[in-house]
Amino acid sequence: SAVISQKPSRDICQRGTSLTIQCQVDSQVTMMFWYRQQPGQSLTLIATANQGSEATYESGFVIDKFPISRPNLTFSTLTVSNMSPEDSSIYLCSVVVGTLGTQYFGPGTRLLVL
Amino acid sequence: QKEVEQDPGPLSVPEGAIVSLNCTYSNSAFQYFMWYRQYSRKGPELLMYTYSSGNKEDGRFTAQVDKSSKYISLFIRDSQPSDSATYLCAMSAVQAGTALIFGKGTTLSVSS
Repeated sequence: SAVISQKPSRDICQRGTSLTIQCQVDSQVTMMFWYRQQPGQSLTLIATANQGSEATYESGFVIDKFPISRPNLTFSTLTVSNMSPEDSSIYLCSVVVGTLGTQYFGPGTRLLVL
Repeated sequence: QKEVEQDPGPLSVPEGAIVSLNCTYSNSAFQYFMWYRQYSRKGPELLMYTYSSGNKEDGRFTAQVDKSSKYISLFIRDSQPSDSATYLCAMSAVQAGTALIFGKGTTLSVSS
């Protein structure tokens, strides 16, 4: 497995502002993902964070709203831009470790937008 | 029809009970099946990983996959209060490098 940390663990933000979430892994990983977990909903993939190139976004998610950086194999950031109350959610990063391709998740960032 | 259906519960059982958690899915391409446990205010923790059909046992936990019925189960024997959490099923068509498709999760409460 891997030890994954996220910062901040929680935040309360005003609408129209932006928040950058950091994900740090204790070992180098090739694949890193960002998910959203809204109340009462399934975890949904936002994008794949690619090291050295642009992130790959899932349908319904766009780079202008959720810009992602992946400067190296242990670190990534997700920015939630121009926030609205609908962005209130838990944001999770995950990494793929080992030959089975299993995904391990960070503790999450709990975001409330007022 | 959603790709993965999971009854959100809540499910309440007494300590020592056998718990059965289930998911159904519609995409026959899914081959990799996982169960995650998520405690309140924590990230999901991988519990079980199975490939294709069959059973896998790990301690008090048994995962079953029936691809012909597109149905997966997680059984918890001798349930403990520490098992109280939300259980998420997840699946994918390929081994790695792709999104996991999750159920909504079933909230389990085990009372002592």
